[in-house]
Amino acid sequence: SQQGEEDPQALSIQEGENATMNCSYKTSINNLQWYRQNSGRGLVHLILIRSNEREKHSGRLRVTLDTSKKSSSLLITASRAADTASYFCATASYSGAGSYQLTFGKGTKLSVIP
Amino acid sequence: DTGVSQDPRHKITKRGQNVTFRCDPISEHNRLYWYRQTLGQGPEFLTYFQNEAQLEKSRLLSDRFSAERPKGSFSTLEIQRTEQGDSAMYLCASGNTGYTFGSGTRLTVV
Repeated sequence: SQQGEEDPQALSIQEGENATMNCSYKTSINNLQWYRQNSGRGLVHLILIRSNEREKHSGRLRVTLDTSKKSSSLLITASRAADTASYFCATASYSGAGSYQLTFGKGTKLSVIP
Repeated sequence: DTGVSQDPRHKITKRGQNVTFRCDPISEHNRLYWYRQTLGQGPEFLTYFQNEAQLEKSRLLSDRFSAERPKGSFSTLEIQRTEQGDSAMYLCASGNTGYTFGSGTRLTVV
């Protein structure tokens, strides 16, 4: 089953604009991660935010986490055509028997128009 | 090599045949995951290894699926008696907190 739900499902913007994607989840988490996937390829880890953090930056990426609302957002500033990809949030939580579950949402498909 | 390797990249098989995929994780990573991804969907969890121990299996992993990670190094995922519904991208990931994914094996069952 998929815990995270990204919103919107698809987003189309002009190069240079900012892109914001949201993720909602259902259960308590240890951390939340964002990944990028270019068409037909594997996923690339972008950024991880722990449950006790509220905001994190990495280059042009900014991630926020609101555990009271069980939601996160990913902001990509000054977008480039090369940012065109699908973006997934993944929640990480400990389950029984020492297992560390990493559960993905359905993703947001971002298109950046040159 | 600093990445996660998966082999083969593509596999076309006839329904009813068995297939096996291999994943070579980053050597110092204890955790290894297998996911399945169909078109337009996010990756769905299949199974998880902590070193050589298989700690969790999804309900998606029917008895036709089996995974191993001998000696806590590489891992294999075998699908027996393949069905058309098994057609998907099979992704392997390794890591300790943030995860590194391989490029996946795309399986097509005809």
